[in-house]
Amino acid sequence: DIQMTQSPSSVSASVGDRVTITCRASQGISSWLAWYQQKPGKAPKLLIYAASSLQSGVPSRFSGSGSGTDFTLTISSLQPEDFATYYCQQAKSFPRTFGQGTKVEIK
Amino acid sequence: QITLKESGPTLVKPTQTLTLTCTFSGFSLSTSGVGVGWIRQPPGKALEWLALIYWDDDKRYSPSLKNRLTITKDTSKNQVVLTLTNMDPVDTATYYCAHGGGYAAHFDYWGQGTLVTVSS
Repeated sequence: DIQMTQSPSSVSASVGDRVTITCRASQGISSWLAWYQQKPGKAPKLLIYAASSLQSGVPSRFSGSGSGTDFTLTISSLQPEDFATYYCQQAKSFPRTFGQGTKVEIK
Repeated sequence: QITLKESGPTLVKPTQTLTLTCTFSGFSLSTSGVGVGWIRQPPGKALEWLALIYWDDDKRYSPSLKNRLTITKDTSKNQVVLTLTNMDPVDTATYYCAHGGGYAAHFDYWGQGTLVTVSS
């Protein structure tokens, strides 16, 4: 199985801050990576697929980059509705695997 | 508009078999490239991918649960069914079904999830 490791596990930030979350794969996955946002009690929401493609309807302050084993999700200017937990997921092979999550909290 | 909804028991006893149904609309599971997957999330923990079924009936399973999982589809009813045998308290989780976009590389539409508790 491909292991996905996110860092940090949590981050405290203020509205307007730039936030970067990292995801590392245990082996190369090309650009087969997705990012999700999950709020408490809700289903995950797809933000980014193919490492850098923005899902329809997702604000442009979200962006993704990387290929191979190292990936980043960036929120350029944190908004109140962005406080949530974020997960990466590899799609290079089965089983699909998720990172352990990064919680973005209010500072 | 794609929607999915999970249904099934909210409480099962240890050793019982869990059967969950995902009823969807807005797409057909007979269309090339389409897949439906199941993902679960224990309370306060991360997401765990369980299984996926493609339009051509190709099925993929989590190796750690493969002996206990079965995924099937009923295209005429727009449903996907997941069964998990020999339930244990560690299987307590919210179970989600999701539409697989891009040949199920990622999950672009999710059901609301259903919490299943395993307890005697």
